[in-house]
Amino acid sequence: ETGVTQTPRHLVMGMTNKKSLKCEQHLGHNAMYWYKQSAKKPLELMFVYSLEERVENNSVPSRFSPECPNSSHLFLHLHTLQPEDSALYLCASSLGRGAGYGYTFGSGTRLTVV
Amino acid sequence: KNQVEQSPQSLIILEGKNCTLQCNYTVSPFSNLRWYKQDTGRGPVSLTIMTFSENTKSNGRYTATLDADTKQSSLHITASQLSDSASYICVVSARGNEKLTFGTGTRLTIIP
Repeated sequence: ETGVTQTPRHLVMGMTNKKSLKCEQHLGHNAMYWYKQSAKKPLELMFVYSLEERVENNSVPSRFSPECPNSSHLFLHLHTLQPEDSALYLCASSLGRGAGYGYTFGSGTRLTVV
Repeated sequence: KNQVEQSPQSLIILEGKNCTLQCNYTVSPFSNLRWYKQDTGRGPVSLTIMTFSENTKSNGRYTATLDADTKQSSLHITASQLSDSASYICVVSARGNEKLTFGTGTRLTIIP
């Protein structure tokens, strides 16, 4: 394990469902990220939280709603998703923001929207 | 626009053979370049990080090179093992910018 834990590992949901993805890190990192990974595409940054404050939202549809209750936990709330939202959702953390900080990734949640 | 291109898109080699993966980038001003290994069903794990002044860095059987003039990097894998089967992703950071630019990865398959 990398120190970043994501649950669930797999999720199948209907377009009308509401579900949440959870990410947890106890590395003492201050920044946390949500990425979307689709086949044959680069990782797409969705949201960035630094010291529990959302500092970036990359034009993500409102059907994705992040929440960061404390520096160790990050959630991604999902509702009325579309089939094209099916992807691997990766959580990552870093000690700080900036080019010099390495990212630690979780194992991801494989999401399938039916 | 900052971009990272990797080649080949996929590669199949016999166990025990060597291989080299390529990464070309247009990220500027350059800060560092990382190679990540992503096993199927897992998140990426960092293999190496290279800064502007570094030309070569090794991590066991993995050796990364960087040519900052031509904006190219390579990842050489020696004496491949079945466990090397994974996607290898090149990630470049720009100075003064917190955003990372990811490549699409090379899918490497090692066959016995």
